[in-house]
Amino acid sequence: DAGVTQSPTHLIKTRGQQVTLRCSPKSGHDTVSWYQQALGQGPQFIFQYYEEEERQRGNFPDRFSGHQFPNYSSELNVNALLLGDSALYLCASSQGGAGYGYTFGSGTRLTVV
Amino acid sequence: QKEVEQDPGPLSVPEGAIVSLNCTYSNSAFQYFMWYRQYSRKGPELLMYTYSSGNKEDGRFTAQVDKSSKYISLFIRDSQPSDSATYLCAIEGSGGYQKVTFGIGTKLQVIP
Repeated sequence: DAGVTQSPTHLIKTRGQQVTLRCSPKSGHDTVSWYQQALGQGPQFIFQYYEEEERQRGNFPDRFSGHQFPNYSSELNVNALLLGDSALYLCASSQGGAGYGYTFGSGTRLTVV
Repeated sequence: QKEVEQDPGPLSVPEGAIVSLNCTYSNSAFQYFMWYRQYSRKGPELLMYTYSSGNKEDGRFTAQVDKSSKYISLFIRDSQPSDSATYLCAIEGSGGYQKVTFGIGTKLQVIP
């Protein structure tokens, strides 16, 4: 049973560029949440998608946007990259969105230079 | 004041010791309480969750919640080197479909 799959695993981008990260949820899960985890910090909630709609959003600027597809997979897009966007980006899938049901992927390590 | 406060450690204990990890939170609306374990270069994995005050036990792990004090704990008995990881407390509001707020994580090292 495949868990949550994220791609790519590592990425290096230049300041000002745009990036797209991808997530395939665990089989049977319909909700995807995205988190940013800076080095030495806990994960910070970016947004959550359910039924292809953004259901709730954390305190992140509009440069962060997302999408959920009919097969429940999801993308996270970040425009106009800043050095401070360097972090581990985690995708968590769940059935219905409750936190106790989260399954996390291993993340995408984004480095902005 | 942060919504969830957690001592980042690091915490170093000998194998076999009892480990106590703690978090405090500020919002009494929080209803679901979770502990995640995160190994280096991996995503967090759920260890325990509870939604009421009191204790919940699962093998060597015990989660404790005191809603009156807004204090949650995780106890690890007979700690093993394989328990060396970062432990994140996480809290969610009521009704589900709420964002999950994580603590900063406590880095634990169990020395053989």
